[in-house]
Amino acid sequence: GAVVSQHPSWVICKSGTSVKIECRSLDFQATTMFWYRQFPKQSLMLMATSNEGSKATYEQGVEKDKFLINHASLTLSTLTVTSAHPEDSSFYICSASGGRSGLARGGRETQYFGPGTRLLVL
Amino acid sequence: AQKVTQAQTEISVVEKEDVTLDCVYETRDTTYYLFWYKQPPSGELVFLIRRNSFDEQNEISGRYSWNFQKSTSSFNFTITASQVVDSAVYFCALSEKGGKLIFGQGTELSVKP
Repeated sequence: GAVVSQHPSWVICKSGTSVKIECRSLDFQATTMFWYRQFPKQSLMLMATSNEGSKATYEQGVEKDKFLINHASLTLSTLTVTSAHPEDSSFYICSASGGRSGLARGGRETQYFGPGTRLLVL
Repeated sequence: AQKVTQAQTEISVVEKEDVTLDCVYETRDTTYYLFWYKQPPSGELVFLIRRNSFDEQNEISGRYSWNFQKSTSSFNFTITASQVVDSAVYFCALSEKGGKLIFGQGTELSVKP
């Protein structure tokens, strides 16, 4: 239980284009989803927290107009990188939490992560 | 401020050795959760364990064991008889109110045959 998928796994795009990344909880309803960014050899950096049906809460320094987050349902959140530039190249990972206790051994507070999306902007 | 420190950046062991990954945390909350995640080269973070602040019992799962000590604010992770497949980056994390995770810097474990 507690499987999270992400699509696409790899994206290569030209500078100036927009890229949409989908995050889905496959076997549980996620009340909260999180988006992270990770640079090589570094830890995860939280970008934003989103709750179903409400606006995302962005971390300090993250441009909300640049990284659009939509959490339209309890199983789907999307991150859109608008007008991507080479400095946006990174590994983006989503996570989901809030599954009913007993569904997964980690409980409601545990974040389950997707496989990540590697974005390369040329 | 809440913080998680994994002082070991890289550890290299030979297969079948035991290895302990250290994690020290700081928090003013009385209720919190601690986690360990494994990130293999593929990139996906794999959930290993969650421990709440009121449960100091150590836990063992196969070759994995965890030692939680509130007195020293530590939540260390030991792999017994390590295997090559254990090679990965391991993250310790602390959960704030609202569910945000604060990650340590990660420890890269390399298990050589």
